Amino acid sequence: DGGITQSPKYLFRKEGQNVTLSCEQNLNHDAMYWYRQDPGQGLRLIYYSQIVNDFQKGDIAEGYSVSREKKESFPLTVTSAQKNPTAFYLCATTDRGLPKAQHFGDGTRLSIL
Amino acid sequence: SQQGEEDPQALSIQEGENATMNCSYKTSINNLQWYRQNSGRGLVHLILIRSNEREKHSGRLRVTLDTSKKSSSLLITASRAADTASYFCAPILSGANNLFFGTGTRLTVIP
Repeated sequence: DGGITQSPKYLFRKEGQNVTLSCEQNLNHDAMYWYRQDPGQGLRLIYYSQIVNDFQKGDIAEGYSVSREKKESFPLTVTSAQKNPTAFYLCATTDRGLPKAQHFGDGTRLSIL
Repeated sequence: SQQGEEDPQALSIQEGENATMNCSYKTSINNLQWYRQNSGRGLVHLILIRSNEREKHSGRLRVTLDTSKKSSSLLITASRAADTASYFCAPILSGANNLFFGTGTRLTVIP
């Protein structure tokens, strides 16, 4: 989706290192989401934010952190506490109100060195 | 689990044939959405059906919803090689703001 930019496309993490995945949107959407996708699996929600300066844990938040200082940006940090970080990470946004269709970026693939 | 569960897990058909994928869920929903994911890419929203709707069409796509059986189906007619992708259903539960994705159906359309 051209309105959501995830970077980098590929990322490698060393043991004990924190890494930050970027998600930027120009859709003026209020809500932003981070999902993790393992091979052959569905998406699992890590964190979401409905409004600037507020965010909520999803189903698998342990070992991850986020911030939402600007409406356009919702970076995800994978900390060293996340022992199995290898996965495909997807960022999504929605406009306010129901019903909602989510718009996705093209993902970041994170691997351990 | 609150997620939708797709069936079958994998489907392989010849170009021009129809493809049907099914989704089941466990609780009351506001609406149900279908998404497509090409390999290594993000998900793309295909169609949304509200809980008070029984059928919806969009181009070659037809979605049905049976709330009494807590199930939905996605039909792709006259399939093309470009339809090769994984397809996910995502119910939005009553009172919830988030989507819950299943593991998807991997569709392969053979030219």
